[in-house]
Amino acid sequence: QVQLVQSGPEVKKPGSSVKVSCKASGGSVRNDAFSWMRQAPGQGPEWMGDINPMFDARNYAQKFQGRLSISSDDSKTTLYMELSSLISNDTAVYYCARDIRYGFDIWGQGTLVTVSS
Amino acid sequence: EIVLTQSPAILSLAPGERATLSCRASQSVGTHLAWYQQKPGQAPRLLIYETSTRAAGVPARFSGSGSGTDFTLTIGSLEPEDFAVYFCQQRTNWPPLTFGGGTKVEIK
Repeated sequence: QVQLVQSGPEVKKPGSSVKVSCKASGGSVRNDAFSWMRQAPGQGPEWMGDINPMFDARNYAQKFQGRLSISSDDSKTTLYMELSSLISNDTAVYYCARDIRYGFDIWGQGTLVTVSS
Repeated sequence: EIVLTQSPAILSLAPGERATLSCRASQSVGTHLAWYQQKPGQAPRLLIYETSTRAAGVPARFSGSGSGTDFTLTIGSLEPEDFAVYFCQQRTNWPPLTFGGGTKVEIK
């Protein structure tokens, strides 16, 4: 069973960028689609975008267009989410998750990104 | 963008009682609705997909129903481990797919 292990917490200044990784332990990301979500305290998850590494296909939520980049490494074992031009409202826990089309069945443990001056 | 509205925001019940959670969509999502459970400090866990299909390992006390714009998650008899926050999620008219704001099931 694939597990998704994310990188550690980050503290960033407004205007900077953050890159969060999501490593597939016990498998690869080659044959599946994956999404990135974020969750602010007390709120539901917010879908940001997805990637299908096999086809190098991506979709991004319109609100993040231009400052979000989702990628995978050549070995197809690690996914990345990079968000630029950070503002305080970007403070949230960021999750990667496997997309089985009907839902997200495997999630990373989450990465807290704090944006503060 | 399809907006999902969950009610009630908080549901106070005792162990053994039946829980009924509602999710209403701003436009039809057909049957493309999923439910998740989230406990503090943990990632969401997939419970139900395509309105009524339980994910692997999910107990039979969890059931889903509905279609179009109105959906229900029912927990037949609450166990202590069921007290958590529950979210619905749709993937019609995607991207973007969207989540509801959540219902917290708390111990009365």
